[in-house]
Amino acid sequence: DTAVSQTPKYLVTQMGNDKSIKCEQNLGHDTMYWYKQDSKKFLKIMFSYNNKELIINETVPNRFSPKSPDKAHLNLHINSLELGDSAVYFCASSPGQKAGDTGELFFGEGSRLTVL
Amino acid sequence: AQSVTQLGSHVSVSEGALVLLRCNYSSSVPPYLFWYVQYPNQGLQLLLKYTTGATLVKGINGFEAEFKKSETSFHLTKPSAHMSDAAEYFCAVSEFDGYNKLIFGAGTRLAVHP
Repeated sequence: DTAVSQTPKYLVTQMGNDKSIKCEQNLGHDTMYWYKQDSKKFLKIMFSYNNKELIINETVPNRFSPKSPDKAHLNLHINSLELGDSAVYFCASSPGQKAGDTGELFFGEGSRLTVL
Repeated sequence: AQSVTQLGSHVSVSEGALVLLRCNYSSSVPPYLFWYVQYPNQGLQLLLKYTTGATLVKGINGFEAEFKKSETSFHLTKPSAHMSDAAEYFCAVSEFDGYNKLIFGAGTRLAVHP
């Protein structure tokens, strides 16, 4: 029973296309995130939602649009894909966003996006 | 903003040897610190974390880390490496600026050879 699940695991597409990645968590957490891992393995936060509200948006091109229909789901839609968008995108969740919470993240297995 | 520095992007050890992966952070307040491990083609898994209390933290798979405030360090160690320890290891610090987020180091790839 996977705690944080992402689909698809692999995605190969052409430049200019639009694609979506879906994420679901069954941990009952309030907060979800998207992280991008580049070819050098560097992890950078993109977005965070707390109870369906966008709380972190880290200078990401507006071609990237997250959507959270409920607190258990966070999807990522990417318009007009570019070569530089090729990366592994990780969804994660954490229990909450209150001071005193440690910020510990629970990760999905990642979605590898390849733009040709 | 906080930052995390992992010294050595690649570390290679023999099976049975000591593993030492270095992590330094910048923070003006006592941070929460984490080590995550990423096996090939998988997501990140928590190895251990320091929040408060005892500065020597034990994690899974025989790993431990010590929080040293005076050195702003949180180095990861394991007394005896196993082939299955080969993976990418990430140190992270929690930054709270109204909202929690984890800031990751660049990662250290650990290779274990027979």
